[in-house]
Amino acid sequence: LAKTTQPISMDSYEGQEVNITCSHNNIATNDYITWYQQFPSQGPRFIIQGYKTKVTNEVASLFIPADRKSSTLSLPRVSLSDTAVYYCLVGDLGNFNKFYFGSGTKLNVKP
Amino acid sequence: DAGVTQSPTHLIKTRGQQVTLRCSPKSGHDTVSWYQQALGQGPQFIFQYYEEEERQRGNFPDRFSGHQFPNYSSELNVNALLLGDSALYLCASSFRDSPGYTFGSGTRLTVV
Repeated sequence: LAKTTQPISMDSYEGQEVNITCSHNNIATNDYITWYQQFPSQGPRFIIQGYKTKVTNEVASLFIPADRKSSTLSLPRVSLSDTAVYYCLVGDLGNFNKFYFGSGTKLNVKP
Repeated sequence: DAGVTQSPTHLIKTRGQQVTLRCSPKSGHDTVSWYQQALGQGPQFIFQYYEEEERQRGNFPDRFSGHQFPNYSSELNVNALLLGDSALYLCASSFRDSPGYTFGSGTRLTVV
């Protein structure tokens, strides 16, 4: 299983764009990259998933370089409600979605 | 469309006791995974059930066992509780190889 490395914490201000980078040097050919958001005492919430290049949805963008050894979650114009822990996961979708979580990145958005 | 439902939301048990946690998956999902999340840490994979069988297992002792019913709901059982079993237990459902889990809000277990 590919190990992921993320910054432990990040600070930002309301209205700014936030980019959280995840390193996954030993990602396998069949692995996808998935990001989750978690608020205290709640279950993680799926944000976005991708395999290569760029993926965008209504809440975030995911940038994956050609070598796929890292990925960057981009949150446009964050608000106070985006304060949460963000997890980067790497895993094979065909493996019945058995994903392993790291320690995540604690994003603190300030007014 | 109901999401993943877990019960109870909170539970206090004494060391050495046994506990059963329950999970109803999101409508249309057939796979249930259980995670343990200690305070300040990421969720740790316990096991996964599909077609009423344990398909995957993480690094957890045999004191942790589970079951999946024909309606896809699932139970997590923990025997001989230890203080270290105190955590948020999360259930996540998915449909086979479809992307992304849907997580429940969890059961907060406190062992005293």
